[in-house]
Parts: sequence; C-alpha cells; structure tokens
Amino acid sequence: QVQLVQSGSELKKPGASVKVSCKASGYTFTNYALNWVRQAPGQGLEWMGWINTNTGNPTYAQGFTGRFVFSLDTSVTTAYLQISSLKPEDTAVYYCARVVPAAISIYYYYGMDVWGQGTTVTVSS
Amino acid sequence: DIQMTQSPSSLSASVGDRVTITCRASQTISSYLNWYQQKPGKAPKLLIYATSSLQSGVPSRFSGSESGTDFTLTISSLQPEDFATYYCQQSYSTPWTFGQGTKVEIK
Repeated sequence: QVQLVQSGSELKKPGASVKVSCKASGYTFTNYALNWVRQAPGQGLEWMGWINTNTGNPTYAQGFTGRFVFSLDTSVTTAYLQISSLKPEDTAVYYCARVVPAAISIYYYYGMDVWGQGTTVTVSS
Repeated sequence: DIQMTQSPSSLSASVGDRVTITCRASQTISSYLNWYQQKPGKAPKLLIYATSSLQSGVPSRFSGSESGTDFTLTISSLQPEDFATYYCQQSYSTPWTFGQGTKVEIK
C-alpha cells in the first residue's frame, strides 16, 4: 500500500543537528512532490516547504531558510529533512506528506493525501 | 502570505448533531481549499480537496462549500469517531497556509 514511513524520535542538545528520513513505498516516488509540515507542541500545522522529487529542487517557506535542508535519495525512495544548529523552539513533530494533484475541469488542485506518521524532535539541554 | 482564519476555535457537540466549521481566506483563493482531520498523536488526514471534493474513503456525512473567500466544512451527523481537530489549508499560492484549527469535543 501507499505509505510514508518516517524515522524515529530524536532527542538533541541545542546546537546539534538532526536528520529525519521519510521513506516512500507503494507508488512511483518521482511522480509526486513531498511537503514538510511542522507541528509544535499543542500548536497547529505549519507548512515548511516542499521538494520536487523529479529534480530535487527544494522550496522553503519563510522562517525555514538557512538551517533547514530538504534532500532526496531516489535510489531508496527516501526524502530527508536536516536541521542544523538546533534550538529549543525547534522542538516539534515533523511530518512529510505527499502532494497529490487532482484534475477538475481544466484546473489542477493540490492536497496532501498521504502523510508520514511524524517524527518528534526534542531539543533540550 | 494568505491568512486562513478558522472559527470557532473549539466547539462541543453531541453525536448526531450537525456541525459547521468556517474558514475565511484573507484574499481570493478560488477553490484551492482543503480540509484535514487530526486525532491526538496522529498525522492529519485529508478529508476534502478543492473545496468540495471528497477524498476517497471519507464518509459522505462530510461536505464542503464556499462563498467568496468563506469556506465551510459540514458534518451532517456527528459520529463518535469524528471528535478531532479540523484544519483548513489553502493551496492557491505558496507558502501554503493552514487555519489555526477547530477542536470538536464531546458535549
């Protein structure tokens, strides 16, 4: 079945780095873009950006530039989120989500139809 | 950036009730509006895309509509499994943005 499986929880100290993986299966990896979404404790959903799985080109939302890097390894159908110079405010659940296009009339609409289970990153000294 | 404002932020309802959640966009987004359901400790689940199209496998008691920049998610008859937090999200332009969420609780 179509699924995204993320790596396990991480506990890191401030200033360290973390790399979260998102392995896709059950579909052609390069046919669908991937989004990254953050959810801080008790808070709502925040779109971090997306990566084109054909070209590997990432796009970052404001606030997620510099310390955040999206990457791919298409040979193992896996996307990665790396965060460097971690801060306590980076503590959150990070989700990857597949972007699905839906053709209605002459337009394409986009939603996130398959989500990873989430990876909790805790930054604490 | 397009701001998405959801209301109410929470509501209490009983099984069988009709529930309506509203989302207002700060500018036109055409019909590029999705709704997600999230249960505690779980990933969000896509319910409705393009304002009113039901995602495969989602019960027909869920529906969506729009009026200008106002969008509505309706649950026609609330079921026990529907108690969750609901988010709207626009995909009209990047950055994609979410509403702040509406928590549906048991009365």
